[in-house]
Amino acid sequence: DAGVIQSPRHEVTEMGQEVTLRCKPISGHDYLFWYRQTMMRGLELLIYFNNNVPIDDSGMPEDRFSAKMPNASFSNLKIQPSEPRDSAVYFCASSDRAKETQYFGPGTRLLVL
Amino acid sequence: GESVGLHLPTLSVQEGDNSIINCAYSNSASDYFIWYKQESGKGPQFIIDIRSNMDKRQGQRVTVLLNKTVKHLSLQIAATQPGDSAVYFCAENKRAYSGAGSYQLTFGKGTKLSVIP
Repeated sequence: DAGVIQSPRHEVTEMGQEVTLRCKPISGHDYLFWYRQTMMRGLELLIYFNNNVPIDDSGMPEDRFSAKMPNASFSNLKIQPSEPRDSAVYFCASSDRAKETQYFGPGTRLLVL
Repeated sequence: GESVGLHLPTLSVQEGDNSIINCAYSNSASDYFIWYKQESGKGPQFIIDIRSNMDKRQGQRVTVLLNKTVKHLSLQIAATQPGDSAVYFCAENKRAYSGAGSYQLTFGKGTKLSVIP
């Protein structure tokens, strides 16, 4: 089992640029979650999907953030335009409804200069 | 409001001793709790979970205790090893049914465990 796969692992970009983060959930899992982690705010849920459909995006900071899940094996999170305050580690997690436990990917460490 | 918090932000223990990490939760309707371990540079890793119909569950060297009366959760690590050094998070299931049914986890801020060799 490969686990949740995220790419890139590290991203450094300049303010104003578009950033795309990618996630491949564990095969067979029908829930996918995007989190952001910072020292100040800890782990924050941004958005989650069930069967590729966004269920709750109330955690998305603002319109600059968007997420899609075109199929069961892929999701992306986009930030456009990026700002320095978006610097954080972004995690993707997936779960099987029956078990509820969420399994996390290794994260993408984003630095916006 | 509803929240999950930790009593101790840092904990230092001697190698071989037992560790106890505590967590308070405020949502009495939560019925599922998870402990995660996060090592530096990695994502949170599932350790053990417990449902509200239980008050104790054991795994390999770890035990989770749930006290619903005082809304308290604890993680006990037996014979703590250097590899146990990490940040530990508790999370509660904040059920939010939205047609499809969903299971949102609310995470605490974390406790950093340092093991002294």
